[in-house]
Amino acid sequence: EDQVTQSPEALRLQEGESSSLNCSYTVSGLRGLFWYRQDPGKGPEFLFTLYSAGEEKEKERLKATLTKKESFLHITAPKPEDSATYLCAVQANRGFNKFYFGSGTKLNVKP
Amino acid sequence: GAGVSQSPSNKVTEKGKDVELRCDPISGHTALYWYRQRLGQGLEFLIYFQGNSAPDKSGLPSDRFSAERTGESVSTLTIQRTQQEDSAVYLCASSLGGPQETQYFGPGTRLLVL
Repeated sequence: EDQVTQSPEALRLQEGESSSLNCSYTVSGLRGLFWYRQDPGKGPEFLFTLYSAGEEKEKERLKATLTKKESFLHITAPKPEDSATYLCAVQANRGFNKFYFGSGTKLNVKP
Repeated sequence: GAGVSQSPSNKVTEKGKDVELRCDPISGHTALYWYRQRLGQGLEFLIYFQGNSAPDKSGLPSDRFSAERTGESVSTLTIQRTQQEDSAVYLCASSLGGPQETQYFGPGTRLLVL
């Protein structure tokens, strides 16, 4: 069964304290893995797409990596404005374009 | 350019009433998705449109839920005889429609069934 699990559910960091968020997945053929940021009361905002193991992408203080079983979202020296829920989704390489989302990691960065 | 828009932004209804939620995708996007997000949870896939056909309706929770799309434009999600467990945020996303295409989300409709 295709499944996405994100950990931790919640993470509290001090400003400048680097950390990583985890997205573990089981899918029969990965077409792509997507990271989104969601602010309260808003729809998810696209961050990255990763397609194959070993791939990495960076954007400002965020870096996403991918292995055959999981993805990490590394946050370097976070700022309070990085506080949000980070969602991971996988797209299976079969059938139609169905996406499976994890339940997210709620990040709170304190000044 | 304009992003995905949804209306209404908030809807309060009484149990047993029908509701209709609207999604306007990004112009030129052929693929359109509906998701449900319960409080504190991830996104639950409901239905996917490619053009005005729905190849994947597997996520619709019951026959009270239906959706349609006009060409490669507006989509409406209808919930009949609403129940309290239907309370959630309903999110719409669109993409260009090819494989490995990024989805762009609207702000959602917050539905509360009393």
